[in-house]
Amino acid sequence: GENVGLHLPTLSVQEGDNSIINCAYSNSASDYFIWYKQESGKGPQFIIDIRSNMDKRQGQRVTVLLNKTVKHLSLQIAATQPGDSAVYFCAEIGGYNQGGKLIFGQGTELSVKP
Amino acid sequence: KAGVTQTPRYLIKTRGQQVTLSCSPISGHRSVSWYQQTPGQGLQFLFEYFSETQRNKGNFPGRFSGRQFSNSRSEMNVSTLELGDSALYLCASSLEGIAYEQYFGPGTRLTVT
Repeated sequence: GENVGLHLPTLSVQEGDNSIINCAYSNSASDYFIWYKQESGKGPQFIIDIRSNMDKRQGQRVTVLLNKTVKHLSLQIAATQPGDSAVYFCAEIGGYNQGGKLIFGQGTELSVKP
Repeated sequence: KAGVTQTPRYLIKTRGQQVTLSCSPISGHRSVSWYQQTPGQGLQFLFEYFSETQRNKGNFPGRFSGRQFSNSRSEMNVSTLELGDSALYLCASSLEGIAYEQYFGPGTRLTVT
């Protein structure tokens, strides 16, 4: 995998700080959302998901928040580490029980400074 | 457990030719989906196969097709290649489908000249 796009939004944080990556999704009917991490030369890696009947879900060092009112999704990474440097994609799917399509956001490049 | 494997990893083709890419999912996974990644369009969903049937399809022309075998291995075919088909093609597998945790392969880098 490679970083996508010539003008990806970039977030630069200091090691140990918390990171917040935001995503605006497009379809108000979307009912399943996922965050992926893609490191240079690799395929995307699943981080965390959330269904539309929830507004928050926590994983190990990561939290996803869903605001359906404004169609906004965020990924919070606690105590960011250099290994977190990657491109992060949000993805949405509408009607996952009815053959929905998976739509990806453009991605945000996270750079962690040691 | 072995991860998703894709072959070949790199491929160079000429306009007008056709190409077949292969994906072997994680053992036990019945869903295989394909994606195209380019700098201009980002990650785009091509289609998903589940138990040998195409279950979901993205907005790509009919030149892009796929199939899945009884062992869940999948192939993707692109006919009449165009320069714009140059991309990284990723495949992902999942136990139940694209609305569940997916595991991606490393991709096949296709260059069309």
